[in-house]
Amino acid sequence: NAGVMQNPRHLVRRRGQEARLRCSPMKGHSHVYWYRQLPEEGLKFMVYLQKENIIDESGMPKERFSAEFPKEGPSILRIQQVVRGDSAAYFCASSDTGSGNTEAFFGQGTRLTVV
Amino acid sequence: QKEVEQNSGPLSVPEGAIASLNCTYSDRGSQSFFWYRQYSGKSPELIMFIYSNGDKEDGRFTAQLNKASQYVSLLIRDSQPSDSATYLCAVGGQAGTALIFGKGTTLSVSS
Repeated sequence: NAGVMQNPRHLVRRRGQEARLRCSPMKGHSHVYWYRQLPEEGLKFMVYLQKENIIDESGMPKERFSAEFPKEGPSILRIQQVVRGDSAAYFCASSDTGSGNTEAFFGQGTRLTVV
Repeated sequence: QKEVEQNSGPLSVPEGAIASLNCTYSDRGSQSFFWYRQYSGKSPELIMFIYSNGDKEDGRFTAQLNKASQYVSLLIRDSQPSDSATYLCAVGGQAGTALIFGKGTTLSVSS
């Protein structure tokens, strides 16, 4: 039973390019959460999605960032016109319900480097 | 703004000792509490969760919750060098909300 799968594991982008990060939740999970982690810092919540719906995007920057979780396929976190400050580890987690009482399991993360 | 606070550490304990990690949270409506372990350069790994006041034990780990004080802790008995990692406290609320994480406490267990 595969866990949460993220790809790519490492991504290098030049300033101004687009970064596209993918997350496939655990089998049976329909709730996906994206977090960003800067060096020596904790996990900052970005967005919570359920299939085809954004439930909470209160942690998403207002510009350049977007997320989707289509009916078919992985969840995508898209960062347009990347800047050096976007360099971070981006983690995706999934859970089987959004009850707030359910454990969330993390993928291995995508380490984005903007040069 | 919901907040989860942890002492950043580092917390240093000798091998075989008890490590005590603490966490406070601001939202009284929080319902679920999780401890994740994160090794350097790796992803967070769930090690314990607790929903009710009191203690919950799992092997060498004990989670303690006091909702009145808005306080949750993790005790690690017989600490091993392999326990050296950053421990993240996470708090969950009502349905439709994501977990909010503290910045983590770095634990160092010396042999």
